[in-house]
Order: sequence, then structure tokens, then C-alpha cells
Amino acid sequence: DSGVTQTPKHLITATGQRVTLRCSPRSGDLSVYWYQQSLDQGLQFLIHYYNGEERAKGNILERFSAQQFPDLHSELNLSSLELGDSALYFCASSVDAGSPYGYTFGSGTRLTVV
Amino acid sequence: GDSVTQMEGPVTLSEEAFLTINCTYTATGYPSLFWYVQYPGEGLQLLLKATKADDKGSNKGFEATYRKETTSFHLEKGSVQVSDSAVYFCALYSGNTPLVFGKGTRLSVIA
Repeated sequence: DSGVTQTPKHLITATGQRVTLRCSPRSGDLSVYWYQQSLDQGLQFLIHYYNGEERAKGNILERFSAQQFPDLHSELNLSSLELGDSALYFCASSVDAGSPYGYTFGSGTRLTVV
Repeated sequence: GDSVTQMEGPVTLSEEAFLTINCTYTATGYPSLFWYVQYPGEGLQLLLKATKADDKGSNKGFEATYRKETTSFHLEKGSVQVSDSAVYFCALYSGNTPLVFGKGTRLSVIA
């Protein structure tokens, strides 16, 4: 157990729907990062939050949004889902806003859009 | 921008063979370099890291040396086991953006 908790582990939903993925960071970590892993694109950075504030945005679609709450857990909201959004979504955490020592990853949420 | 290029897989080896997975990077400044491993059905785990030039990271028999002159961080293991079968990701952190990953190299070790 890495200490980073992601729920749910699996999600199957239809095109056009909206889903919410949840992440609880490792105890003491203030940063949360979201990554999307697909077969052809590898690991793509989506967004970074530090202590409740957005710090960096990557290749995140406008249909996607995220937030980090006062208790430091984070949610990634995906709306108007398309078949191409099917992927593994990982959350990672680190103790500060920039970490040269690496991140701790959760086990991911596998999203299947049908 | 920052980027990581690692060798395409899949790589298939027999048990006890020598492993090399190549990784080169492009970054401003002096990045920290990492290898992560993803076992089937699991998340990414940090395997080893190096934070400055000429540093050697090592863990579980794996090694990688931070070569600034060749901008490389190749992963090596002298004798692989079936349990090493996984996807290996090279990554860098330069302070400009969050961790940047290569596309991953799938390793299959057969008995």
C-alpha cells in the first residue's frame, strides 16, 4: 500500500455521461497530481494542486476539471465522456509543491467508456 | 520543453539475462532523473533515482547512472528474473513542470 488511495478502482460508463474520480494523498503530502495513462500516449500529466490551489495544468481537456479540498483529497471530474477517454487515471502525491525526490502513486482508476 | 525518450518495447529476455533499457532526456537546467516500475494491474512505484550528474541510483539489483554529457539515464540489471516482468518508465523533474515520463518499456522475462 503506497498510502495514496484512489476510488473507484474500475468504472464503466456510457458516452456522454459524467464521472468523478477521487484521490486521497499520502498522509502529510500537500500536492496532488493527476495523470492519464493510455496505450498509445503513455503517461500524460493533467493537473497539479498544492494545498488547495491549482499550480499547473497539462494536457487536460476543457471537459475535465479537478479540485483539491481542505482535507487535501482531490477529485477529477470528467464530463461529456467519449470513447477516447477510456484510460487509466492515476493520482500521485508529494510533500511539497515541487519534488525532486519523486511522487507516490495510487493504484489508479480504470475508466471504460462504452 | 522537457522530454524523455526511452527505447520502444516490448523487450523479451530469458531468466538470468542482462537487461539494458535506454533512456535519454532533454531538459533545461539540471533535472532529477527517475525510473518507475509498473507491475501488472498496479500503480507506478519508484524504483530508483539520481538527483545530480554522475550519481548512481540503485535498488533491487537495478542500477542507472546520471550521465550529463550524454543526457542519459539507462537502466541496467545483471540478471533478470521472471518477477521483473513489468513496464518501466523513465522520468525527469526539472522544476519547471511536474514529472515528465517516457512512454514506457514493457519487459517480459521467460523462464
